Amino acid sequence: DQQVKQNSPSLSVQEGRISILNCDYTNSMFDYFLWYKKYPAEGPTFLISISSIKDKNEDGRFTVFLNKSAKHLSLHIVPSQPGDSAVYFCAASDDKIIFGKGTRLHILP
Amino acid sequence: DTGVSQNPRHKITKRGQNVTFRCDPISEHNRLYWYRQTLGQGPEFLTYFQNEAQLEKSRLLSDRFSAERPKGSFSTLEIQRTEQGDSAMYLCASGPTTGLNTEAFFGQGTRLTVV
Repeated sequence: DQQVKQNSPSLSVQEGRISILNCDYTNSMFDYFLWYKKYPAEGPTFLISISSIKDKNEDGRFTVFLNKSAKHLSLHIVPSQPGDSAVYFCAASDDKIIFGKGTRLHILP
Repeated sequence: DTGVSQNPRHKITKRGQNVTFRCDPISEHNRLYWYRQTLGQGPEFLTYFQNEAQLEKSRLLSDRFSAERPKGSFSTLEIQRTEQGDSAMYLCASGPTTGLNTEAFFGQGTRLTVV
């Protein structure tokens, strides 16, 4: 059973616009959520995280929103830049960290 | 470089052979995780350690897989009697446990090809 779901395999966004990546989870024991970015032939790189006691965390162009009642989180990137093109993984932790399948983001010129 | 280091970066082996991978975590990190990733999938949890103690092993993992972290520093992942389905990227990550939850930082991975 997939506890962390990223239902959009890919997303294309115009440079300068907002990118919104979505993630749903099923395990109510998850209390910490993370986003990672991955380029080909590299390990995932940590981007931003949020604790379940918060509903928003912002770091520069990246903001993560958490809706606990809906078991949903999203990553907003604004403005989107060409270097943001990568695969983004949503992850959730109840001590160990469980990953979604990823969303490939394409930033269009 | 004080990041997570994995060796080897690539491994090609014949079916039925045993392979061992090594992970050196960031030195002050006491959490260490192993994941497996195949094409188009996210990192799949295999096992994790708190210092030398193995906290959990995925129930999806067969008995051919074993991991150790003997002194709470580096870790090894061994796959016995490799099968073609074991071909994947094996990722190691480490993290501190200074709070309730913390991030994990990944190495570059070891790509295994079983022929």
